Amino acid sequence: GDSVTQTEGLVTLTEGLPVMLNCTYQSTYSPFLFWYVQHLNEAPKLLLKSFTDNKRPEHQGFHATLHKSSSSFHLQKSSAQLSDSALYYCALSEQGTGSKLSFGKGAKLTVSP
Amino acid sequence: AQTIHQWPVAEIKAVGSPLSLGCTIKGKSSPNLYWYWQATGGTLQQLFYSITVGQVESVVQLNLSASRPKDDQFILSTEKLLLSHSGFYLCAWSLETGGSQNTLYFGAGTRLSVL
Repeated sequence: GDSVTQTEGLVTLTEGLPVMLNCTYQSTYSPFLFWYVQHLNEAPKLLLKSFTDNKRPEHQGFHATLHKSSSSFHLQKSSAQLSDSALYYCALSEQGTGSKLSFGKGAKLTVSP
Repeated sequence: AQTIHQWPVAEIKAVGSPLSLGCTIKGKSSPNLYWYWQATGGTLQQLFYSITVGQVESVVQLNLSASRPKDDQFILSTEKLLLSHSGFYLCAWSLETGGSQNTLYFGAGTRLSVL
């Protein structure tokens, strides 16, 4: 079956330092990977999703590259901002399984001045 | 534009009491609909999904049930609440097709406290 393993728990960074949240997956079929972000007391929102043509998705300074060879979709940003403090979830959807989206356990990123 | 509305925003209920949470999607016909649950400090756990009116599939039971009485409405309910039902309940929708189109759009959620 499909599953997602991501950086989990608390991640604390100083503003201006790079962000790297890891995400690896196990998938039987063609996978699509997503990063969702959830700010305090808000619902999760889509941050990034993978493309089928190896393009690198980018949004709000974040980017992630799907590497099928290593089954990874790590989230990166060159310089953390205070407003990046939030919960980050990696999620997996497999082609043909439109009803199933598997989430990782989530990482709480805290960016301090 | 599509909008998703959940109600109520928050509930405080007694153990053993019934519960009904609702979700309405406007601006999109025949969406996939989902219920997710998030325990305090926990991850997102998919509970139910529905691809059409009257059809609901259970992913994790948790002594809850779901129904889709209309194309744009999804209801989560139970006749007897447990302490373990406390948490954040999120309704979401996605396009009909799977794979890369399976982007979820979440409602604002209902925060439930069972005492």
